[in-house]
Amino acid sequence: QKEVEQNSGPLSVPEGAIASLNCTYSDRGSQSFFWYRQYSGKSPELIMFIYSNGDKEDGRFTAQLNKASQYVSLLIRDSQPSDSATYLCAVNEVGGTSYGKLTFGQGTILTVHP
Amino acid sequence: SQTIHQWPATLVQPVGSPLSLECTVEGTSNPNLYWYRQAAGRGLQLLFYSVGIGQISSEVPQNLSASRPQDRQFILSSKKLLLSDSGFYLCAWRKQVNQPQHFGDGTRLSIL
Repeated sequence: QKEVEQNSGPLSVPEGAIASLNCTYSDRGSQSFFWYRQYSGKSPELIMFIYSNGDKEDGRFTAQLNKASQYVSLLIRDSQPSDSATYLCAVNEVGGTSYGKLTFGQGTILTVHP
Repeated sequence: SQTIHQWPATLVQPVGSPLSLECTVEGTSNPNLYWYRQAAGRGLQLLFYSVGIGQISSEVPQNLSASRPQDRQFILSSKKLLLSDSGFYLCAWRKQVNQPQHFGDGTRLSIL
């Protein structure tokens, strides 16, 4: 059973601060990694994906991947109250009958307070 | 651009009643399609996925079933609902295996 673990929340940061969300995964062969944002009562929305080691930036969001450590993170700079949501890490499984399926972490609840 | 539609948005059903939830994708062909369930305060559980018409893979033994009668249509069904079937049902699609999945708006199902 492939596992994806996210840092336990909830995480609370002040407006304007950097929010750091972390995720580790067990499938060493995984190649694709995704971050989704889910507002309460809504469906998950893709905000970042990363395939290569290093950093990938998109606006206020930066995804970081370290395959050797089996670690992926999401940084949110200049956090806004509208960033308050649950953030889901998802990892593409490889090999065998699980090929291509996404395994999701349990999610980290982020609250940005004014 | 591609869009995914799910309906209904909310549904209240009595125990033992049948279920049919529908999902359609527009703007692409031969997508990979997925059904997930999210219980209150819980993570996403993959129920079924399909890589082509008539092909269904089941992840969790249960009283639910799925069908894919057309390329861009995915249906989730049950003959007799249980209380434990309550939850938020999400349909998702993606074009290729390593690409992101994109979710529909979901159906919130309550069983009474």
